Amino acid sequence: AQSVTQPDIHITVSEGASLELRCNYSYGATPYLFWYVQSPGQGLQLLLKYFSGDTLVQGIKGFEAEFKRSQSSFNLRKPSVHWSDAAEYFCAVGRGNTNAGKSTFGDGTTLTVKP
Amino acid sequence: DAGVIQSPRHEVTEMGQEVTLRCKPISGHDYLFWYRQTMMRGLELLIYFNNNVPIDDSGMPEDRFSAKMPNASFSTLKIQPSEPRDSAVYFCASSGRGWPGNTIYFGEGSWLTVV
Repeated sequence: AQSVTQPDIHITVSEGASLELRCNYSYGATPYLFWYVQSPGQGLQLLLKYFSGDTLVQGIKGFEAEFKRSQSSFNLRKPSVHWSDAAEYFCAVGRGNTNAGKSTFGDGTTLTVKP
Repeated sequence: DAGVIQSPRHEVTEMGQEVTLRCKPISGHDYLFWYRQTMMRGLELLIYFNNNVPIDDSGMPEDRFSAKMPNASFSTLKIQPSEPRDSAVYFCASSGRGWPGNTIYFGEGSWLTVV
């Protein structure tokens, strides 16, 4: 069975500092990996996704993530955090096209940005 | 294009009443998901449909919960009778099969409070 672990429940960073949110997955085949962001009172929005190819993936809002098969990780990074990045971030792993869409989500990491 | 549309956005109801949540997926998507989000349990997949057929309802908590998808553009999640522990945010999401078909697009959620 597939599973996702986000080890950090809550992270606080200063505005302008760099950010890394950790995600570890367990999956028996090539994973399809996603990061979503949820702002307070809103639904989840896709930041980026990895299916194959280049292991460094660029997303929206200046985020990127790197797939490391040897470490079963898909960590999210941003070089300089803005106050508007304060939100909850979810990592997810999904199946391939033959059974699209049943993704498993991590428990989320809440990001607080200090002025 | 319009995203996933959910209604109502907010509902407050008394224990024992029937609650119906509605969802219109993105046109052309053939997968539809119902999720529930709470502080205690995080994001849980309740049920998902493929081509209007329920595929996996193992996440539905009990018989008080039911979901239908009468056509490709409409789905309902019904709770009857409702209980205070059903208070949560209920998200509908949809996904397409084609490449990259695994991305799930979320609605803004239905915020349910049962008193």
